Amino acid sequence: AQSVTQLGSHVSVSEGALVLLRCNYSSSVPPYLFWYVQYPNQGLQLLLKYTSAATLVKGINGFEAEFKKSETSFHLTKPSAHMSDAAEYFCAVSDSGGNQFYFGTGTSLTVIP
Amino acid sequence: ETGVTQTPRHLVMGMTNKKSLKCEQHLGHNAMYWYKQSAKKPLELMFVYNFKEQTENNSVPSRFSPECPNSSHLFLHLHTLQPEDSALYLCASSQRQTYEQYFGPGTRLTVT
Repeated sequence: AQSVTQLGSHVSVSEGALVLLRCNYSSSVPPYLFWYVQYPNQGLQLLLKYTSAATLVKGINGFEAEFKKSETSFHLTKPSAHMSDAAEYFCAVSDSGGNQFYFGTGTSLTVIP
Repeated sequence: ETGVTQTPRHLVMGMTNKKSLKCEQHLGHNAMYWYKQSAKKPLELMFVYNFKEQTENNSVPSRFSPECPNSSHLFLHLHTLQPEDSALYLCASSQRQTYEQYFGPGTRLTVT
């Protein structure tokens, strides 16, 4: 089975600072990779996905992620944090059939004014 | 209604009760999913339905029984649950070829 590791269950950044959320996956075959965001009392919302096209993926709200096969990583970044970015972020991987999805334990992002 | 809706949003039930969670998607998708979200744990995929057919059951106890009468509706029937089943239950849908899942807001279940 595949697995996803998110380093750092809590990350704090100052408003305007760089956001970096880390995700590593284990997969023996080319994976499909995703980042989701969850605001309080809401479901998950897709930020971006990687499906074997360009390794640098741009998503909504100014976020982007880079697929690095050699490092089995898919870290999420945003150049300048905004207060509205405070939320829980989840990295996920899927098999090529789309029948199984594996999520990380999530990273809670706090943005300090 | 738009997107994925779930009812009820909150549910408290005793261990001997029978209840059902409902999910409806208004996106024209052909796949639907049930997830369990517990604190400090990864989301756990419970069931997958493609074109109304169940394709995955990830070793979920039989006290959870899914039903998918059509591609827009998904139910999770609950009976004789345990306190450790208390969690947020999320429904999602997708168009199979895109792998993009759209989630509902979830049902917060508490088993007493």
